[in-house]
Amino acid sequence: DAKTTQPPSMDCAEGRAANLPCNHSTISGNEYVYWYRQIHSQGPQYIIHGLKNNETNEMASLIITEDRKSSTLILPHATLRDTAVYYCIVRVNNNAGNMLTFGGGTRLMVKP
Amino acid sequence: GAGVSQSPSNKVTEKGKDVELRCDPISGHTALYWYRQSLGQGLEFLIYFQGNSAPDKSGLPSDRFSAERTGGSVSTLTIQRTQQEDSAVYLCASSSTGIRTYEQYFGPGTRLTVT
Repeated sequence: DAKTTQPPSMDCAEGRAANLPCNHSTISGNEYVYWYRQIHSQGPQYIIHGLKNNETNEMASLIITEDRKSSTLILPHATLRDTAVYYCIVRVNNNAGNMLTFGGGTRLMVKP
Repeated sequence: GAGVSQSPSNKVTEKGKDVELRCDPISGHTALYWYRQSLGQGLEFLIYFQGNSAPDKSGLPSDRFSAERTGGSVSTLTIQRTQQEDSAVYLCASSSTGIRTYEQYFGPGTRLTVT
């Protein structure tokens, strides 16, 4: 799986959009971009994933650059409950295990 | 619907004792994963079950670790002769084989402390 690079920490004001960047310059053509988050003392939570098109669900939006070398996770109206560590992962979707490997992630602090 | 559940939520044990950790995956999910996470660290893959196939044990750190999945549902992770370095949060995740195959849903974890 390709390596990702994320800033170690970010702050965001409550109610504002949180934009979390991720660099994955060595991504392969068949690798997807996944985002998970982990709130303190809880298990990781799936957020969203995409291949090359931008994606949106009830939790967030994922913007992937045209060259696929970077992406941005957008939480449109951050709340205090969105304070968590956010992990960007790139991986192939196949049936050979799909086990996850998290790097350092970005610690997002949403402040009132 | 019910998510992945794990028990116990916390376990404190003495060095050298055996422990069993339980995972109840989401009903109908055929894939089940065990991971562990040490304080402030990322996920460490341990073992993976998929349907009736032989499990992928490539992540188990030593032969003191073993896991079973009975009837394609509940799984038990057993650590024999626990050591202090086994202290971590043990996380279980499951996923389906439908369209949303590659999303893993995690349980709350079991925090294991070996004294």
